[in-house]
Amino acid sequence: GAVVSQHPSWVICKSGTSVKIECRSLDFQATTMFWYRQFPKQSLMLMATSNEGSKATYEQGVEKDKFLINHASLTLSTLTVTSAHPEDSSFYICSARQGGEHEKLFFGSGTQLSVL
Amino acid sequence: GQNIDQPTEMTATEGAIVQINCTYQTSGFNGLFWYQQHAGEAPTFLSYNVLDGLEEKGRFSSFLSRSKGYSYLLLKELQMKDSASYLCAPMDSNYQLIWGAGTKLIIKP
Repeated sequence: GAVVSQHPSWVICKSGTSVKIECRSLDFQATTMFWYRQFPKQSLMLMATSNEGSKATYEQGVEKDKFLINHASLTLSTLTVTSAHPEDSSFYICSARQGGEHEKLFFGSGTQLSVL
Repeated sequence: GQNIDQPTEMTATEGAIVQINCTYQTSGFNGLFWYQQHAGEAPTFLSYNVLDGLEEKGRFSSFLSRSKGYSYLLLKELQMKDSASYLCAPMDSNYQLIWGAGTKLIIKP
């Protein structure tokens, strides 16, 4: 099946610093990628939809200046958490849409972010 | 509005069969996905149904009734590794997945 690579798997950073998370579709082109965050024992929460070559669409309540999304190519989207604070500590997951006859969504392995 | 309803938690015995039900309401419909998620990990794709009926794939089967807004995931010959959360996610008219809180499945020996 299709593979989506997400890096890093976990990161610990100091409050006030920025963290970049990469999401790559390894064997297909993804015109659309999604970024989610998930708190323990809670469901996935969609943060933003990233379309190649255009600005990301953010969900209500998600600060676009804090969570910078870049989708520069058909196989790469990045999420940068700027000026991270402890409340940003969460599990961040990306997914990429594989189009075609049987459209599917494949997930990266997730990034556990801990802000000290 | 859009809504997903599935049981919060279920318990089953190793080797048995369990059915996880899901009812949904969405703005438009472009198929329904089932994902498995182990604690601390990202979801893993299990199945996708867009037409009514049963799709069988090994020990897992998924059923869809579009007219009833209903789906179920059937797990046979349960193994301890099947202990996980199972997420029902219909896709709306904008091709966005609508996520419920999932069903935590506990397998006992």
